[in-house]
Amino acid sequence: DIVMSQSPSSLAVSVGEKVTMSCKSSQSLLYSSNQKNYLAWYQQKPGQSPKLLIYWASTRESGVPDRFTGSGSGTDFTLTISSVKAEDLAVYYCQQYYSYRTFGGGTKLEIK
Amino acid sequence: EVQLVESGGGLVKPGGSLKLSCAASGFAFNNYDMSWVRQTPEKRLEWVAYIIRGGTTTYYPDTVKGRFTISRDNAKNTLYLQMSSLKSEDTAMYYCAHGDYGYFDVWGAGTTVTVSS
Repeated sequence: DIVMSQSPSSLAVSVGEKVTMSCKSSQSLLYSSNQKNYLAWYQQKPGQSPKLLIYWASTRESGVPDRFTGSGSGTDFTLTISSVKAEDLAVYYCQQYYSYRTFGGGTKLEIK
Repeated sequence: EVQLVESGGGLVKPGGSLKLSCAASGFAFNNYDMSWVRQTPEKRLEWVAYIIRGGTTTYYPDTVKGRFTISRDNAKNTLYLQMSSLKSEDTAMYYCAHGDYGYFDVWGAGTTVTVSS
């Protein structure tokens, strides 16, 4: 099974700051035949279902603000929020779909 | 509007069974692969079942294989999850999710399953 690890487990930032969070997989998520990374990012706000933000590691879902950016390849991935807003308070999860599907443990974003 | 509405959750004793349903609307249900994903009280997310659009192929992780069965009725636009031999560690919010390529672009609001004596 592919194990997904996220860090940090939580972080607190001020509105307007830049945030980066990490997701690492136990094996490469890059499929050689199409050069796509099988990695997605989700945002879960308190009391809500998860919401898809990013897929194929860097493709933003329709309607997702461009302050959210996914990057990385192989086993190391990053979600960046360029300028945090108060509404970004949430837990962020990464998920691999290279082999079945597994999720990381999440990064909780708090606003100072 | 694309919508998934889960139902059927509740309190069940260890070893018991429960069947969840997910009513789909706003999209061509029979054209999409579907999954069930659960979230534990500790907020850990775990994919638990997958079924292709025609219903002929299913996949499960080892944690539920042999105990859970996913199925669908395309005529009724409904997805199901039959759960048996339930354990306390199956306690979770169960989400129905839509996604063809492996990521989940639509989620329902979830239904809560509690396994306790």
